[in-house]
Parts: sequence; C-alpha cells; structure tokens
Amino acid sequence: GAVVSQHPSRVICKSGTSVKIECRSLDFQATTMFWYRQFPKQSLMLMATSNEGSKATYEQGVEKDKFLINHASLTLSTLTVTSAHPEDSSFYICSARDLGTSGETQYFGPGTRLLVL
Amino acid sequence: EDQVTQSPEALRLQEGESSSLNCSYTVSGLRGLFWYRQDPGKGPEFLFTLYSAGEEKEKERLKATLTKKESFLHITAPKPEDSATYLCAVQAPGSARQLTFGSGTQLTVLP
Repeated sequence: GAVVSQHPSRVICKSGTSVKIECRSLDFQATTMFWYRQFPKQSLMLMATSNEGSKATYEQGVEKDKFLINHASLTLSTLTVTSAHPEDSSFYICSARDLGTSGETQYFGPGTRLLVL
Repeated sequence: EDQVTQSPEALRLQEGESSSLNCSYTVSGLRGLFWYRQDPGKGPEFLFTLYSAGEEKEKERLKATLTKKESFLHITAPKPEDSATYLCAVQAPGSARQLTFGSGTQLTVLP
C-alpha cells in the first residue's frame, strides 16, 4: 500500500509554545489529507480536512486558530498547535486520500505523540 | 448522522481459535466501508475496502464481508501477531470523503 510519513514521531514541549507536525504522502499525490486526534483507548476523532491550495475545513468544536493547517503541496500538509497547553497532549494522526486505480483509500501516517508540560 | 458500532469491545482468543468481529453501521448512502488494524502507539494500517452488499475480500487469515447493515471481519486460525485493535469506518457521501470510525475491537490472541 501507499506510504504516509509524519514528523516528528514524538515531541515534548513547554506550555505556551507552538508545535508543527508534518504529514507527507511519499509515493502518491494527495489533494486531500485529514488530521485526527486519538486519546488513550479511544477511537480516532476527525479534527479537520485539509485541501491542497485552499482553506482547511474544521470539525465542530475544533478551534481553527488553535490548530493551524496548511496544505501547500500535493504531498505535504502541516498541523501547527499554537500556544500548546497540557490539555492538547494527545496522539495526532494524519491520513492522505489516494485515488488509486483499485479504488479510493485513506492511508494513515504513524502518528505524532505530543506531550505538553 | 453516520454511526458505526463495533462489537465486541474486546476479544481474547486462543491461538487457532477462529472468530468474527462485527461492525454495524447507519449511513446515508454508503460510499465505502473500511477495515484498519492499529497496533499500540501506531497509525492505522489499511486492510480492506468494501463497496457493496455481498462483497467479500480476503488477506491471509482475514476475510471481510459486507451486508446492507453490517460488516464482519472473520479471523481464521489466528496467531499472536494478529493481536491489535481492529477499526471499522464508513465513508461519508460528499466531496470531502471523510471517514467515520467505530470505537474498535481490541483483539488479543494468546499462544
């Protein structure tokens, strides 16, 4: 299957700092990428849909000024957690939509563990 | 609103003991039903996509089936390395093609 990478894999930061997470589709182009958040022993919660060249669409309850998304190219989307606080600590996962010949599939990155002290 | 319910929440099997995981869904116009496997601390790994009732797909010891209301993931003669959380998701209609996930089934296969 297609490969999606995320960087960094884990980050520890102080409260009030901003953290940028990168999501790359390595062997296909993705006009649409998605950002999810996952708490321990819970399922994935969609935060936003990232569209190349346009503004992201945020799910209800997700602060767009808090979680800045940029999808500047067909292989890269970034999520910036601005002024991070301890309650932002979580596992953030991106996915990229692959419009392959055998059908549309979303492939996920390995996730980024964020710990805000 | 799209809803996905997975059962059981957790399942413990002995190695070689076959079983099935269930995914019930309600969606206005199913575009696709996805199965993923997730290991602790990692992102979900794609397994299958099913598009229409009656469709079946297989991969090694796993077989996914789909009806108009639910999907099953059958695990035949599981091994300890099959231990993981299995997630089911439905794809929403519309241009965004978002996925709505169930809460998952945590499978443990004992040697």
